[in-house]
Amino acid sequence: DSGVTQTPKHLITATGQRVTLRCSPRSGDLSVYWYQQSLDQGLQFLIQYYNGEERAKGNILERFSAQQFPDLHSELNLSSLELGDSALYFCASSRDGQVVPNQPQHFGDGTRLSIL
Amino acid sequence: AQTVTQSQPEMSVQEAETVTLSCTYDTSESDYYLFWYKQPPSRQMILVIRQEAYKQQNATENRFSVNFQKAAKSFSLKISDSQLGDAAMYFCAYYAGNQFYFGTGTSLTVIP
Repeated sequence: DSGVTQTPKHLITATGQRVTLRCSPRSGDLSVYWYQQSLDQGLQFLIQYYNGEERAKGNILERFSAQQFPDLHSELNLSSLELGDSALYFCASSRDGQVVPNQPQHFGDGTRLSIL
Repeated sequence: AQTVTQSQPEMSVQEAETVTLSCTYDTSESDYYLFWYKQPPSRQMILVIRQEAYKQQNATENRFSVNFQKAAKSFSLKISDSQLGDAAMYFCAYYAGNQFYFGTGTSLTVIP
């Protein structure tokens, strides 16, 4: 158990819809990272928040947005969903704003999003 | 642009034997970190080993070790005394400038 909680575990919805994925970081961790893992594109870094503020942005589409709340949980919002958005979405957390070897990321179990 | 390449989509190893998974990366950064992550069928991502680019000594974690060749931009993972529980997808990852880049993964099968 990594201590990172992601909900829901599975989500099935239709094209054009909007969903929200939730992540609670490990106790004491200030950074939250979001990743997308799809069959054709592998694992891709989407975005990072540190203590409520956006810290780094990766390959995140404009239809996607995220935020981190004062209690440090984070939400990833996906809108105007397309079939290609079907993927496993991971959240990870770390103690500080930058990943250093003695403070690795801890991954949640992921949310499986299926677009029909 | 930073990229991570894992040229072996699938590998297999006999139980108790040794296997090496390859990873190369491309970067213009001088300060970066490299990681190997394991993703078992449960789908969770588990950190296996990590290496700071400025360290010449290869990282080791029990049965897992790396061969870090900075000039060649190569970062291979060696698993010794392979166990059935090592069967998983292994991802090589590169981190610099608050950005993570992952390879496409190598699926490792352990044969009893």
